[in-house]
Amino acid sequence: EAGVAQSPRYKIIEKRQSVAFWCNPISGHATLYWYQQILGQGPKLLIQFQNNGVVDDSQLPKDRFSAERLKGVDSTLKIQPAKLEDSAVYLCASAQGRNTIYFGEGSWLTVV
Amino acid sequence: AQSVTQLGSHVSVSEGALVLLRCNYSSSVPPYLFWYVQYPNQGLQLLLKYTTGATLVKGINGFEAEFKKSETSFHLTKPSAHMSDAAEYFCAVSDQGGSARQLTFGSGTQLTVLP
Repeated sequence: EAGVAQSPRYKIIEKRQSVAFWCNPISGHATLYWYQQILGQGPKLLIQFQNNGVVDDSQLPKDRFSAERLKGVDSTLKIQPAKLEDSAVYLCASAQGRNTIYFGEGSWLTVV
Repeated sequence: AQSVTQLGSHVSVSEGALVLLRCNYSSSVPPYLFWYVQYPNQGLQLLLKYTTGATLVKGINGFEAEFKKSETSFHLTKPSAHMSDAAEYFCAVSDQGGSARQLTFGSGTQLTVLP
């Protein structure tokens, strides 16, 4: 069974530029999550989708971050404009119902 | 609201020694508890989880954890550390309700295994 796929794995951008991360969840998983993991901290939930609807985006900085999950499968997380403090690993995860949550390998963002 | 506190951001043990990583949680409802491991440049992998039933749960790679409600703890142990156990470990909590889980993570413990 294929795992959660994320791309790109690594990205370096200048502040005020934009960046987009893509996630393909495990086939059949209705729930998709985006987490932000800053160096030295635990992952923090940014947004949770159920199929193509948003369940929770209370911690998403909506002035600069946006996410969508068209057709209830793939998802894209966008940051525009990026700030230095956005340097982090962006983890995508998926689950089916209340079963185990599986994580991708993450997209590493450095903002300079 | 739920929260997790992991005591000790860095733990060092000798190869073959006992591994003990501490986790305390706060939850207003009965919790589900998890331990995840993260190897360098990789995502999170589930080690073990407590949902209901037996309070001592066994996971992969010889790890186990015990849910102690009276102490609000879910400490992770392994009798004998191996070099391959060096990684970062995260404790997480979720509530029991709803159609999908939402995990709240602790800040992590970096485990170093000394030869």
